[in-house]
Amino acid sequence: EVQLLESGGGLIQPGGSLRLSCVASGFSFTNYAMSWVRQAPGKGLEWVAVISNSETSTYYVDSVRGRFTISRDNSKNTLYLQMNSLRADDTAVYFCAKGSKGFCSGGSCPLFDSWGQGTLVTVSS
Amino acid sequence: DIQMTQSPSTLSASIGDRVTITCRASQSISSWLAWYQQKPGKAPKLLIYKASSLESGVPSRFRGSESGTEFTLTISSLQPDDFATYYCQQYISSSPWTFGQGTKVEIK
Repeated sequence: EVQLLESGGGLIQPGGSLRLSCVASGFSFTNYAMSWVRQAPGKGLEWVAVISNSETSTYYVDSVRGRFTISRDNSKNTLYLQMNSLRADDTAVYFCAKGSKGFCSGGSCPLFDSWGQGTLVTVSS
Repeated sequence: DIQMTQSPSTLSASIGDRVTITCRASQSISSWLAWYQQKPGKAPKLLIYKASSLESGVPSRFRGSESGTEFTLTISSLQPDDFATYYCQQYISSSPWTFGQGTKVEIK
């Protein structure tokens, strides 16, 4: 059974930094892309960042590019999201999501077939 | 970026009703569309991928279809467990991942 367990959320002041972690189990972590998706309170889903299985490719939504960094440690089955220069509009539940394949190929990119329970990040003074 | 326009935003229905949710892409995404179900306080759950393929373990009352850039999720006979919010998502390789705005299915 696939399990994804996020941690690292909390209350942080604007301009601050936070690192989220997601520990994966139940599948071969090194074979799949991984992503972060967020959901602001009462709002819809927004894709944030993705990293390929081999760590060679990373992509970000425009609103976080240059501030957030996605990474993974395949030896620890762990996905990370380093968030710097946080703003109030970054307040959201952040979900870790497993991709359906290693990365984009054959005209499509991975979709998200398993999700963690989410960790809440609140940016406020 | 490709925009996904989902309708309606809210839908009121009764147990046993046939329910239809529509998602329109701003440009061609081939069949690279997924549908997710999300219940309050929970993570999204994948229901349909590649427009019409049912994820393992998902009840057969859920069906996905497509016509050009318009995609439809149909629940043939609404069950109590189906009251939730549904999102479409495109995953074509030429554009960042984008979700529709969501459709909340409420009890009538």
